[in-house]
Amino acid sequence: EVQLVESGGGLIQPGGSLRLSCAASGFTFSIYNMNWVRQAPGKGLEWVSYISTSSSTIYYADSVKGRFTISRDNAKNSLYLQMNSLRAEDTAVYYCARVGATSWHFDLWGRGTLVTVSS
Amino acid sequence: DIVMTQSPDSLAVSLGERATINCKSSQSVLYSSSNKNYLAWYQQKSGQPPKLLIYWASTRESGVPDRFSGSGSGTDFTLTISSLQAEDVAVYYCQQYYSTSPYTFGQGTKLEIK
Repeated sequence: EVQLVESGGGLIQPGGSLRLSCAASGFTFSIYNMNWVRQAPGKGLEWVSYISTSSSTIYYADSVKGRFTISRDNAKNSLYLQMNSLRAEDTAVYYCARVGATSWHFDLWGRGTLVTVSS
Repeated sequence: DIVMTQSPDSLAVSLGERATINCKSSQSVLYSSSNKNYLAWYQQKSGQPPKLLIYWASTRESGVPDRFSGSGSGTDFTLTISSLQAEDVAVYYCQQYYSTSPYTFGQGTKLEIK
């Protein structure tokens, strides 16, 4: 089955760090560009970060630049998001999302992992 | 950044009736060399992740019912559900991918049954 499964979310204090993982299966992970997208409780979708197939191109939203780091391990079919200096406003469900093979839309999404930043 | 603005914020439509959601971008998302609009539509049901419905503004994703259609070009786009079914209750988002840094989404339109 083609799927993405996120993990690593939880409750963390402001200023803390957390590492999210996204495990890909059922498709050739290494040939797809990937993203993280988040959704605060009751809010809309916010793109967080993008990484190309070889990790040569990486982008971040201004809201997380300098605090979050995206990475991938193609040998392990995995995508990661290292989140440092977490703030209350980072509280959200974090989704990993695959970029389509022939376009730039997001054709496959995981179910998400909830990150709650609170003291 | 390209700002995406959807209208209305919420919509109530009777079963079997047509539902129309609009999306406007702050700048054109039509790539002239390919003549393609870099615009997608997603459906998000309660408690679920988003699901791709439409890309290139009007291309239906495999498996998406043909009651869903997308139209528009440049800066103005529309998602139409021709005959609303109960399972279509969801929040719908447009997204531009003309600029991939940042990708931007509309604020969402909540669709309910009247």
